[in-house]
Amino acid sequence: EDQVTQSPEALRLQEGESSSLNCSYTVSGLRGLFWYRQDPGKGPEFLFTLYSAGEEKEKERLKATLTKKESFLHITAPKPEDSATYLCAVGDDKIIFGKGTRLHILP
Amino acid sequence: EAGVAQSPRYKIIEKRQSVAFWCNPISGHATLYWYQQILGQGPKLLIQFQNNGVVDDSQLPKDRFSAERLKGVDSTLKIQPAKLEDSAVYLCASSSLTGVYGYTFGSGTRLTVV
Repeated sequence: EDQVTQSPEALRLQEGESSSLNCSYTVSGLRGLFWYRQDPGKGPEFLFTLYSAGEEKEKERLKATLTKKESFLHITAPKPEDSATYLCAVGDDKIIFGKGTRLHILP
Repeated sequence: EAGVAQSPRYKIIEKRQSVAFWCNPISGHATLYWYQQILGQGPKLLIQFQNNGVVDDSQLPKDRFSAERLKGVDSTLKIQPAKLEDSAVYLCASSSLTGVYGYTFGSGTRLTVV
């Protein structure tokens, strides 16, 4: 059975303090790995899709990387507006989500 | 491009009552999904439609949940009768290209069963 595990569950950082979120997965065959951002009271918002080990994608202060066993979402010099829950998911036409990492950036 | 529309935004019902949620996907998106998100958890897929046909409903509790997508556009998800454990946010999502750009989600319907 496909599984997605995210860590840590929650993370508090000072503004400007860089860090990384982890997503590990066990799947029968990786089709795609997705990162989403979810703000309170809203649906998940698509950030990145990664397909192969070694692939990297960037958007503003976020960079997602992929290995054969896990993905990292690196946050460089975060700002308070980056506070959200970050969800990782795997699949293609049907995707399975992890529980997410709640990120809080303190001003 | 208009987003995925869902209604209502909030619903409070008593256990054993019935409730229905409505979703209007992005125009032209053939695939529509209903997810259940319990507080503190990631979204869990309930049912996937391709046009107006069901692709996957293996996680849908069919004794109480039902869903339809008439004419391959709008969709409704119904719960009858509701249980306390059905309290969650029900998210609708749609996509056009499989897996490439992810899904576009609506803001969800927050259901509270008391």
